[in-house]
Amino acid sequence: AQTVTQSQPEMSVQEAETVTLSCTYDTSESNYYLFWYKQPPSRQMILVIRQEAYKQQNATENRFSVNFQKAAKSFSLKISDSQLGDTAMYFCAFMKYSGGGADGLTFGKGTHLIIQP
Amino acid sequence: SAVISQKPSRDICQRGTSLTIQCQVDSQVTMMFWYRQQPGQSLTLIATANQGSEATYESGFVIDKFPISRPNLTFSTLTVSNMSPEDSSIYLCSVKTATEAFFGQGTRLTVV
Repeated sequence: AQTVTQSQPEMSVQEAETVTLSCTYDTSESNYYLFWYKQPPSRQMILVIRQEAYKQQNATENRFSVNFQKAAKSFSLKISDSQLGDTAMYFCAFMKYSGGGADGLTFGKGTHLIIQP
Repeated sequence: SAVISQKPSRDICQRGTSLTIQCQVDSQVTMMFWYRQQPGQSLTLIATANQGSEATYESGFVIDKFPISRPNLTFSTLTVSNMSPEDSSIYLCSVKTATEAFFGQGTRLTVV
């Protein structure tokens, strides 16, 4: 079984600052995906960024980037130039590479990120 | 990608009653997943619904409490039965591709 750990229940930064959210995971799988999802008060789960475990290059999506350390089983999210709209719960999630099979995602407990004006 | 419509978006129910949550996907999918998110908590997988077979439940969840139907490749329902205040949660429907998961907007259930 997989486990995902987010050790920061809440973080608060000023608008325009850079913030890093931490995530570690444990698995015996060699092929998998890691995700960061954003959940604003609307409850909608929004995919922020995805990392394939077989890719060494860290994923980047505009202001969002990850630091993926496979050997250390670490997957942190960096948000640059933070904006008020980034305020939300952020969940780190693990998905086995199963070709769309029967395994659901395993989520961390989440980090509540607050961007202060 | 997949667009998932989930309803109701919220409901307030009396204890001892049941609520059925519907999930409609805009494309055919083999597996559909149901998650529970208790207040202030993370998402926990309840069960996986495969069309044409019984749903597979995770540890701690049973069919009598959370019966699931999967009549076709685009639709599923989750029923929360004999509700108690402890069932107050957000319930989310999800589907997967090989590389990503998509979620409905969730149903916020309050049991009084």
